[in-house]
Parts: sequence; structure tokens; C-alpha cells
Amino acid sequence: DTGVSQDPRHKITKRGQNVTFRCDPISEHNRLYWYRQTLGQGPEFLTYFQNEAQLEKSRLLSDRFSAERPKGSFSTLEIQRTEQGDSAMYLCASSSTGHEQYFGPGTRLTVT
Amino acid sequence: DQQVKQNSPSLSVQEGRISILNCDYTNSMFDYFLWYKKYPAEGPTFLISISSIKDKNEDGRFTVFLNKSAKHLSLHIVPSQPGDSAVYFCAASPRRGSQGNLIFGKGTKLSVKP
Repeated sequence: DTGVSQDPRHKITKRGQNVTFRCDPISEHNRLYWYRQTLGQGPEFLTYFQNEAQLEKSRLLSDRFSAERPKGSFSTLEIQRTEQGDSAMYLCASSSTGHEQYFGPGTRLTVT
Repeated sequence: DQQVKQNSPSLSVQEGRISILNCDYTNSMFDYFLWYKKYPAEGPTFLISISSIKDKNEDGRFTVFLNKSAKHLSLHIVPSQPGDSAVYFCAASPRRGSQGNLIFGKGTKLSVKP
């Protein structure tokens, strides 16, 4: 068990560009979550998958954000037309129980 | 409006002593609570959890206490070690049997001094 992995670890992009992040959950976990964390705050929920179905989305997930989990394994989070306010740490977590969630190392996005 | 509050941004403790981190919540529908530890540039690491049907859960040096009437939980670390220095987040799960999207507090930075 290698834990949750995320790629890339860091991404610097210019405003208006599109970015895509990848998350590989713990292999036997069917639940996958995306969170966003900004400085001085705790992680904030963005969206949730059970297997390949996206079951819940936060109001934070504007229409510029889209997430997929096509085969119920890895997931991608895409941000279109990035804005400076999108700069944050994007965290992925997985779970088998729906309670204890295990987080990856995160992708730090900087929009210049 | 914050539903999970960690009112102490920081805490400093001497090595070997007890660290007590506090968390308050406002939503009585929360039924599961968790503590996470986070080092800089890493994701949060799960530490310990407690169901609302219990008032205490212990795992090694870590004990979580839940006071439902006061809507308050605390994490005790004893004895504290320098490696415990990190930011600690309290989190709550909104509904029994829910998808489990967690609501986090803002964190408390613990410094354990040798």
C-alpha cells in the first residue's frame, strides 16, 4: 500500500490557462474526495466520488472546475481559465468507510 | 459561519508534558469527529477519531474526549514529543452514513520544545 498519490506536486501557471491534476487513491478505497486548502484555513470540501459516480459537489466548485473518475480508480481535477484566487493547495483523499479519510501530499497551484 | 472552531491558533508545550488541543462545533447533527496532523508541504495525516456514541477514544499517546452537551472535543497527547510539532486539525462528519465530506477547523499549531 503506497498511500494516496498526487501529481504534480507543484504547478505554476499564468492566469487564463487550464490546469489538470491527478489523484491515485489507495487501491481498495472506493470513495475519493477533493479538497482545497488556502493559507490559514483548514481543507474545504470540493467534490466526492463513490466508484466512478460523482455524488456531491460543493458550492466552491464553480463551473470552471470539473472532476472525473472514469474507471473508479484515479481521478482528475481540471480548472479552466485559472484565476489568481484559484491559488491554493489541492488535496485528494480516499476512504473505504466514508469517515476516516487518507490524504495525499497535495498539489500546490500558483496562478500568476 | 464556521461550524468547527479551533480557537487557539497556537500552543507551546514542553517535551514530556501533556498537550491539550481543543475544538468546538455548532452543528448537533455531526456524528463523527476526527483529528489530523499536518506537517508543512504535506497532506493531513489521520490521527484518531471518535463516534458521537462514545465519549473517549484512546490510541497510544493520543486520546480524544467528546462532550456532546458542550459540543466540545479535545485531543490529549501525553507525553508530548518534539516530533509532535505540527498543525492539528479537528474535523467533523455531518451525517451518520453520509458520504463523509469532512468539515475542518482552521487548525492549531503545536510546538513541543525539547
